[in-house]
Amino acid sequence: DAKTTQPTSMDCAEGRAANLPCNHSTISGNEYVYWYRQIHSQGPQYIIHGLKNNETNEMASLIITEDRKSSTLILPHATLRDTAVYYCIVRNEGGSEKLVFGKGTKLTVNP
Amino acid sequence: DAGVTQSPTHLIKTRGQQVTLRCSPKSGHDTVSWYQQALGQGPQFIFQYYEEEERQRGNFPDRFSGHQFPNYSSELNVNALLLGDSALYLCASSFYDRIWHEQYFGPGTRLTVT
Repeated sequence: DAKTTQPTSMDCAEGRAANLPCNHSTISGNEYVYWYRQIHSQGPQYIIHGLKNNETNEMASLIITEDRKSSTLILPHATLRDTAVYYCIVRNEGGSEKLVFGKGTKLTVNP
Repeated sequence: DAGVTQSPTHLIKTRGQQVTLRCSPKSGHDTVSWYQQALGQGPQFIFQYYEEEERQRGNFPDRFSGHQFPNYSSELNVNALLLGDSALYLCASSFYDRIWHEQYFGPGTRLTVT
């Protein structure tokens, strides 16, 4: 079973920041938080991952709370092409290769 | 730099038949994982291949089997197809250097069983 909980759906206006929350209250010390997204009928796309520090790359920013029990993925300027299902996943990089997907958040970016 | 590729794109089979799906990993990757995604659900892990061996397996029956070749490409075989095997089959590749790095997914193979 997935170790994360996410809202089922969210809406965002084009050009505004999209903030997608994720709860992972049972995360252990050696587990990373990963984010993937899946645009309709395509394979999931890796976005970003982190352990405890905030991370930023060309796609998004990841903010992890100090107690590591929750995180937020931020798309700074959402576009229509960011409409997708976003998955938050916790994973032990040293132990298991597999990703356990939950139901994710369906983000709809509106014009 | 080619990403993960999968073939075929779409496939239609009849119940009871056997099917083979193929995956070529991203350049520089040595690990291949397979996932099944039913309509409206998140992907479910089938198994992972590393160094030509099945390293980890999800909750799938023995009808699902696989293989990894010396060039790191992989095949997924499903025997005695059931209607419930209809799904999007995803291949993901990564590499291992004391940790399992992030996985990159291919576009998937859409299997329809009639």
